[in-house]
Amino acid sequence: DAKTTQPNSMESNEEEPVHLPCNHSTISGTDYIHWYRQLPSQGPEYVIHGLTSNVNNRMASLAIAEDRKSSTLILHRATLRDAAVYYCILKYGGSQGNLIFGKGTKLSVKP
Amino acid sequence: KAGVTQTPRYLIKTRGQQVTLSCSPISGHRSVSWYQQTPGQGLQFLFEYFSETQRNKGNFPGRFSGRQFSNSRSEMNVSTLELGDSALYLCASSRFSGSSYNEQFFGPGTRLTVL
Repeated sequence: DAKTTQPNSMESNEEEPVHLPCNHSTISGTDYIHWYRQLPSQGPEYVIHGLTSNVNNRMASLAIAEDRKSSTLILHRATLRDAAVYYCILKYGGSQGNLIFGKGTKLSVKP
Repeated sequence: KAGVTQTPRYLIKTRGQQVTLSCSPISGHRSVSWYQQTPGQGLQFLFEYFSETQRNKGNFPGRFSGRQFSNSRSEMNVSTLELGDSALYLCASSRFSGSSYNEQFFGPGTRLTVL
C-alpha cells in the first residue's frame, strides 16, 4: 500500500473550519483515500472516503487534488468533540481487507 | 444497532501466560479484523477473518492466532506472553471483506497489560 504523510499535530479554535492535509504522492489509480479518527480512549471511527471526486457527508468533506497526490479533510465547524487523532489511509482497491494506519495528525480544539 | 463489543475490556497477565480476547461484530457483518495499538508502533494489523477463514495476516509472530465462529464472533489468542505484548487490542467488523470502500467499525478495545 502506498504511504501517506500527515502533520504530527494541528490546533484549531472551536467553531472554526479545520483543514487537515494528507500527501500521498505514490497513490495508484485503484487506491481509495480513507479517513478515520480516534477519539481519546476509543477505537478508531470512520470519517469519510473517496476515489477521485470531492465527497461530503454529515461529519466532514474530503477534497481530493486533481492529480490525487494529496487530499484534505475539512471539518466545517470544529467542536471540542472533534479533538482526536486523524488518520489518512490509502486502501488498495483489491482483495486486502486491512487498513494500514500511519501516525496520523493529532488535532487539538481550543474553546 | 449494537456496535462492536470486545471482552474483557481490561486484562492483566504475567509473562509466559496465554490470553484469549473476544470480539462480537455488528449483526450482519461477516468480516472481523484485529489490530494491535502501542505508543511506539501505533496501530498495526494482525489478521482478518471472513466466513470463518483467515483472509489476511499481518507481520506478527505465530504466538498470535485467531479464529472465527459460524456466528461471526471472533477470538484472538496470544501464547507465551511477552512484556512487549502489552497493548490495546482492537477489533473491527465490516459487512464484506476486501472491498476498498468497505467501512470498518471498531470496538472499544481490550487493554492488555503483561507484567
